[in-house]
Amino acid sequence: GQNIDQPTEMTATEGAIVQINCTYQTSGFNGLFWYQQHAGEAPTFLSYNVLDGLEEKGRFSSFLSRSKGYSYLLLKELQMKDSASYLCAVRAASGGSYIPTFGRGTSLIVHP
Amino acid sequence: DSGVTQTPKHLITATGQRVTLRCSPRSGDLSVYWYQQSLDQGLQFLIHYYNGEERAKGNILERFSAQQFPDLHSELNLSSLELGDSALYFCASSPTATSSYEQYFGPGTRLTVT
Repeated sequence: GQNIDQPTEMTATEGAIVQINCTYQTSGFNGLFWYQQHAGEAPTFLSYNVLDGLEEKGRFSSFLSRSKGYSYLLLKELQMKDSASYLCAVRAASGGSYIPTFGRGTSLIVHP
Repeated sequence: DSGVTQTPKHLITATGQRVTLRCSPRSGDLSVYWYQQSLDQGLQFLIHYYNGEERAKGNILERFSAQQFPDLHSELNLSSLELGDSALYFCASSPTATSSYEQYFGPGTRLTVT
């Protein structure tokens, strides 16, 4: 089976930097994703890591350490619209296909 | 707008009933994934279809079934509905079965079982 842990809730100030951590245990690891989901809306893709290291995309960066089963999502220059749930998801190989498993999500509240 | 469409947006039905949720993937995408999202369970993977064939199953109940048609749209059938089936049901699409990592989610169908 797979297990994904991420904090339930975080708060941060507009303009600041926040790091959302995710730890996972899985077999057949084939990539880690981060999605953003506003309340009542569909998740939208933010980033994908399959090799160790940092991937940067504008104000968002994602880091992966496969040996530690650890990832983080870094959000810089926070804006009010960044208030949302951030989902960490792991993809694992299974019988010729891939099974995605999502964490419960981290609810980020950005305040002025 | 992801390009993935789902109908209906909202569905209210009674326990014991059967419903069908429909999903049309983005143009050109061959893979369709179904997910259930409830407050207490988070986003749960149900099933994956690629070009009409079932490729992977997740935590899908036996009361639930799905299929993908030749025009690539997909339907999720939920039968003998229980109160606990109330949730948001999302479908997502991607171009291929394995090499594409990004999934595009539809707006979801909110199912309420009373």
